[in-house]
Amino acid sequence: QVQLVESGGGVVQPGGSLRLSCAASGFTFSNYGMHWVRQAPGKGLEWVAFIRYDGSNKYYADSVKGRFTISRDTSKNTLYLQMNSLRAEDTAVYYCAKSPQSVDFDYWGQGILVTVSS
Amino acid sequence: QTVVTQEPSLTVSPGGTVTLTCASSTGAVTSGYYPNWFQQKPGQAPRALIYSTSNKHTWTPARFSGSLLGGKAALTLSGVQPEDEAEYYCLLYDGGAWVFGGGTKLTVL
Repeated sequence: QVQLVESGGGVVQPGGSLRLSCAASGFTFSNYGMHWVRQAPGKGLEWVAFIRYDGSNKYYADSVKGRFTISRDTSKNTLYLQMNSLRAEDTAVYYCAKSPQSVDFDYWGQGILVTVSS
Repeated sequence: QTVVTQEPSLTVSPGGTVTLTCASSTGAVTSGYYPNWFQQKPGQAPRALIYSTSNKHTWTPARFSGSLLGGKAALTLSGVQPEDEAEYYCLLYDGGAWVFGGGTKLTVL
């Protein structure tokens, strides 16, 4: 069965960095694009970033462009989100999600909390 | 930046039918926006229900259906069950970016 497990969250000071990981299993990771989506406490969903199945194209929300980097390691079946210059408004639960046809979503991870606070 | 608008809240009786809609600030929603719909219950991760306007995932109950209606994407629940009470989000693809709506809180009462 498909499993997506996020890790790497925690508390970080404003201006700091954090790298999230999403370990994938139960499917051929190299065949699918992947998304990061976040949800601030008590708020709605916000799309963050997408990477194509082969890593050839990456897309970012304006709110994170230039600060966050999405990447993937096929040998480890793992998706990453490198987050730099973190701000209080980046505080959220971060989800990774699998994309069956690039424009769509199917499976989601359980999410990981990132708190940016001094 | 496209803004996607959903009804903030709707109430439906058990066994009833309700339609949630999803509008784009740039104009009519078409199949080229590949509308997706998600259900989220408190404390849980979102669950995908509908992709590319009207396609169901293998786990999507038959009572959920997606369509285009009056220039918007729509999610219709027929024969609503108490367990359908949740937040529902639509998502539109906007050429290299994906935009979520603000969500609709569906109450089953």
